[in-house]
Amino acid sequence: DAKTTQPPSMDCAEGRAANLPCNHSTISGNEYVYWYRQIHSQGPQYIIHGLKNNETNEMASLIITEDRKSSTLILPHATLRDTAVYYCIVRVKAAGNKLTFGGGTRVLVKP
Amino acid sequence: SAVISQKPSRDICQRGTSLTIQCQVDSQVTMMFWYRQQPGQSLTLIATANQGSEATYESGFVIDKFPISRPNLTFSTLTVSNMSPEDSSIYLCSVVRDSYEQYFGPGTRLTVT
Repeated sequence: DAKTTQPPSMDCAEGRAANLPCNHSTISGNEYVYWYRQIHSQGPQYIIHGLKNNETNEMASLIITEDRKSSTLILPHATLRDTAVYYCIVRVKAAGNKLTFGGGTRVLVKP
Repeated sequence: SAVISQKPSRDICQRGTSLTIQCQVDSQVTMMFWYRQQPGQSLTLIATANQGSEATYESGFVIDKFPISRPNLTFSTLTVSNMSPEDSSIYLCSVVRDSYEQYFGPGTRLTVT
């Protein structure tokens, strides 16, 4: 699996959009970009994934650059409950393909 | 998504003993994995639990230390053997269903004294 690079931490204001960057310059053509988050003392939670088109669901939006070398996870209206470690992972979308976790970004949403 | 439960949710164990962690899923899944998260660290994959055959271990993890069973498509166990304080971690079960998305259990917090 290709490696990803994320900032170790970031703060954002409650009610504002939180934009979390991820670099994956060595991503392969068949690798998807996945985002998970881990709230303190809980198991990681799936957020969203995409291949090359932008994606949106009830939790977040995923913007992938045209060259696919980077992406941004957007939390449109951050709440205090969004405080967590956010992991950007690239992997082939297959049942046996493992998730390899990097360091992630520790996001602190402040009132 | 999948509903995943783990037992126990936490335990404090003495050095040299063993602990078996159970993972139960609410429906059949394609794949089951076991991860470890050491204090302040990210998740590390221990092994893939294979139904009806021996687990597939990642580099640095061995069957004698972390025996795994998966008797059917909804259940798996991980045993942490001959524990030392360095085994103090959160152990997480993870599953993959038909959609290939991976979901995680709540974790088992293990402290070894």
